[in-house]
Amino acid sequence: DQQVKQNSPSLSVQEGRISILNCDYTNSMFDYFLWYKKYPAEGPTFLISISSIKDKNEDGRFTVFLNKSAKHLSLHIVPSQPGDSAVYFCAPISSGSARQLTFGSGTQLTVLP
Amino acid sequence: DSGVTQTPKHLITATGQRVTLRCSPRSGDLSVYWYQQSLDQGLQFLIQYYNGEERAKGNILERFSAQQFPDLHSELNLSSLELGDSALYFCASSVGGQGEEGGYTFGSGTRLTVV
Repeated sequence: DQQVKQNSPSLSVQEGRISILNCDYTNSMFDYFLWYKKYPAEGPTFLISISSIKDKNEDGRFTVFLNKSAKHLSLHIVPSQPGDSAVYFCAPISSGSARQLTFGSGTQLTVLP
Repeated sequence: DSGVTQTPKHLITATGQRVTLRCSPRSGDLSVYWYQQSLDQGLQFLIQYYNGEERAKGNILERFSAQQFPDLHSELNLSSLELGDSALYFCASSVGGQGEEGGYTFGSGTRLTVV
């Protein structure tokens, strides 16, 4: 039962262009959504988050959009840089006491110079 | 350096054996989470401890157990190991038991290979 789906295992984008990474979820109890970036041989690092009461959050080159009715969120990176090449995970948090992250399977982003 | 320390970084062991993975959380963090990442998979939540007490359980096998000690470090014990247990095991920590959005800090993981 996959509650969080990242349907694109990989994405290649030219440097300077926009990267759009998508995430779909099924659990209506998710009330906060995080994006993590992961380089090989390292642990995931936090990138950006959005609360379920918002539809957009922006931080520098990174913007996350949330469409609650469609249970869909996306991460936009613009302009993309070669250093952005990594695996990106969508990781919602469920309302309730535990607050653990539920990870998608990830999307490998490659930014070509 | 994220501040979360996991040891060992690599571990190779035989089927049927038992291993212990260790995690020291970031200074000041009370909550520890364990995740497993198998090949080509996302991170699967195993278990959470908050200030020494188990807070939540995910898809953790009965052969696996964990604990958090008074100094807040945590250990994940994996026993009767099978080939399918080969994976990256990550530990994360956060300040509170509820978890602060964006406040989960991950260690660099322990790569377990069962042969």
